Amino acid sequence: QLRLQESGARLVRPSETLSLTCSFSADSISGMYCSWIRQPPGKALEWIGQIHSTGLTNFNPSFKSRVSMSVDTSSSQFSLILSSVTAADTALYFCARTWGAAAGNWFDPWGQGAQVTVSS
Amino acid sequence: DIVLTQSPDSLAVSLGERATINCKSSQILYSSSNRNYLAWYQQRPGQPPKLLMYWASTRESGVPDRFSGSGSGTDFTLTISSLQAEDVSVYYCQQYYHPPYTFGQGTKLEIK
Repeated sequence: QLRLQESGARLVRPSETLSLTCSFSADSISGMYCSWIRQPPGKALEWIGQIHSTGLTNFNPSFKSRVSMSVDTSSSQFSLILSSVTAADTALYFCARTWGAAAGNWFDPWGQGAQVTVSS
Repeated sequence: DIVLTQSPDSLAVSLGERATINCKSSQILYSSSNRNYLAWYQQRPGQPPKLLMYWASTRESGVPDRFSGSGSGTDFTLTISSLQAEDVSVYYCQQYYHPPYTFGQGTKLEIK
């Protein structure tokens, strides 16, 4: 059973860069997609973007100018970078596996989430 | 962006009774495959969301059969046929018809 785990800095200063890593419990992530989703306190879920194991990305236009994603296949890890953060970026950040447009881009499984707070 | 609107925002149902949650969207039926690009999730307090349904009505492996999904085109429903205590959660619909993939605002389900 595939498991995902987020890691990274939980406190980020305003205007700086948020960086999170999602570790897949798989020997190989070849052909896999990873999506990043966030949930501000008391609010609904928001899709940030998706990356394939080849590095192909698809971002939510709401974040497009600030977001990048990367993959390290040797470590079975995907990463999220969000620049120029503000307090509005304070949220619980999840990674989740997606399956690609052909198979269906629902999210399963999910990591436990990483609470990131933007504050000076 | 495709906006998903859930109703109601919150719902209180007695144990053993039926709970119904609605999700309204713009068109998310892909005509060539006749598939509705909609998923449902359950989020218990302090937990990540858990996939319940995909293709609007296909139950994920391990999900109890008291959960069912229905609807097509623009109107969808998640039904819990006989509410159990462990079903207290927030439920979300999500469309994957076209990026950016979007979620409904959530429906909080409680015990009456």
